[in-house]
Amino acid sequence: NAGVTQTPKFQVLKTGQSMTLQCAQDMNHNSMYWYRQDPGMGLRLIYYSASEGTTDKGEVPNGYNVSRLNKREFSLRLESAAPSQTSVYFCASSERPGLSSGANVLTFGAGSRLTVL
Amino acid sequence: AQSVTQLGSHVSVSEGALVLLRCNYSSSVPPYLFWYVQYPNQGLQLLLKYTTGATLVKGINGFEAEFKKSETSFHLTKPSAHMSDAAEYFCAYTHASKLTFGTGTRLQVTL
Repeated sequence: NAGVTQTPKFQVLKTGQSMTLQCAQDMNHNSMYWYRQDPGMGLRLIYYSASEGTTDKGEVPNGYNVSRLNKREFSLRLESAAPSQTSVYFCASSERPGLSSGANVLTFGAGSRLTVL
Repeated sequence: AQSVTQLGSHVSVSEGALVLLRCNYSSSVPPYLFWYVQYPNQGLQLLLKYTTGATLVKGINGFEAEFKKSETSFHLTKPSAHMSDAAEYFCAYTHASKLTFGTGTRLQVTL
C-alpha cells in the first residue's frame, strides 16, 4: 500500500507565483490534513478536512486554500506565494472523522519541500 | 492556553545508553498523548499513544512512555539506544478537537 502520496516532492517558486500541492491516500480514511514544518516550530496545522465535502481552518491558514476533491484527494493551493511560505509541507490522513476523536492517529506523507524566492 | 513542551531541542547519547526524551503538557484535563518519530527526509510515523487505562505505554522499536498526571508529563524512554534511533521525535496531544505538536527533539546517537 502506498499510504499517503504527496506531489511534488520539491518545488521552487518565485514570489507571487501560484501552485498546488497534491495529496492522495489509499487507506479509505475519512479525514485529511495539511501541516507545515518549520525549524524549531514543530508542525502547525494549516487546514483539515474532517470528511469529504468539509474543510476547516487550522492554526495557520492565511495565504492558503484547500480542496477536498473526493475522499482520496486533498489539495493545498498557494495563490500568491511569499518567502514566508518556504517550508516543508506534510499531508496526513486519519480513519476517524476530525480531530474531535481524541485518540486519532495520523498517517503522514513523505513531505513536499517548497522554496519561495 | 494548552500546550506541549519538549525539553531539549537536541539530545545526544552513546549507542547502548538510555534514551530519555522529555515532554510536558499543560492542561487541566488529561489529554490523549502521542509520540511520533521522523526519520531524515521522511514523514512522521506513530511511535506510541496514550488514551486511557495503563499509564505505561509500549511502542515500536523498544520505546515506551509513561503518563504521569501529577507531573503532567509523558516522557519517552528506551533502555538502550541504537544508531538507527537517530531521528527527530515529536510529542503531541489532542484536546478540545485539536492535535498540537511539540517543537521536536533531535536525537543523535554516537558510537
